[in-house]
Amino acid sequence: GENVEQHPSTLSVQEGDSAVIKCTYSDSASNYFPWYKQELGKGPQLIIDIRSNVGEKKDQRIAVTLNKTAKHFSLHITETQPEDSAVYFCAASWSSASKIIFGSGTRLSIRP
Amino acid sequence: EAGVAQSPRYKIIEKRQSVAFWCNPISGHATLYWYQQILGQGPKLLIQFQNNGVVDDSQLPKDRFSAERLKGVDSTLKIQPAKLEDSAVYLCASNLNRDTEAFFGQGTRLTVV
Repeated sequence: GENVEQHPSTLSVQEGDSAVIKCTYSDSASNYFPWYKQELGKGPQLIIDIRSNVGEKKDQRIAVTLNKTAKHFSLHITETQPEDSAVYFCAASWSSASKIIFGSGTRLSIRP
Repeated sequence: EAGVAQSPRYKIIEKRQSVAFWCNPISGHATLYWYQQILGQGPKLLIQFQNNGVVDDSQLPKDRFSAERLKGVDSTLKIQPAKLEDSAVYLCASNLNRDTEAFFGQGTRLTVV
């Protein structure tokens, strides 16, 4: 079955700097890669997603890249702000309506 | 638009007791998921419903966990009897159909003592 590995498990960056979180997946048939943000006491919230027919997607300060050959995908947050502090999960799936396999999460802290 | 509603928010029970969680998905969402999130880990899918039918329950410990989706809307997840390792947050999620965003509820935090 699909396995998703995520690194790093914790990340601390200075406010205004960039943060990068990396994931790898095992099943080459996976074609949907969402990223979720989870704040304390809340459920995960989708922040951006990418499909296998696209190499990069950007939404304001957030961007995701996908390398299908290497089975890598990454989340990039630029100009980080205090409200970016949360746990981020990458995930992989056949499609958004099927079983979604999550990574182990990255706790991002933004230092003032 | 109202979000995914879950109750209770917190539950503490003794091992070997039973417990039930309730989920009301977003109106009109055909697909409903139950996930288990152990502290420090990513969510793990327990069961997926399409309307009132089960699509995937391969990770559900069926000797102690059960779930149903009444009339294709609300859903309940039950654990009987509970074990210490069942302590986790149980998340419910739903989406409209294929290729649409899945929305999560706030979860129920279960502590088994």
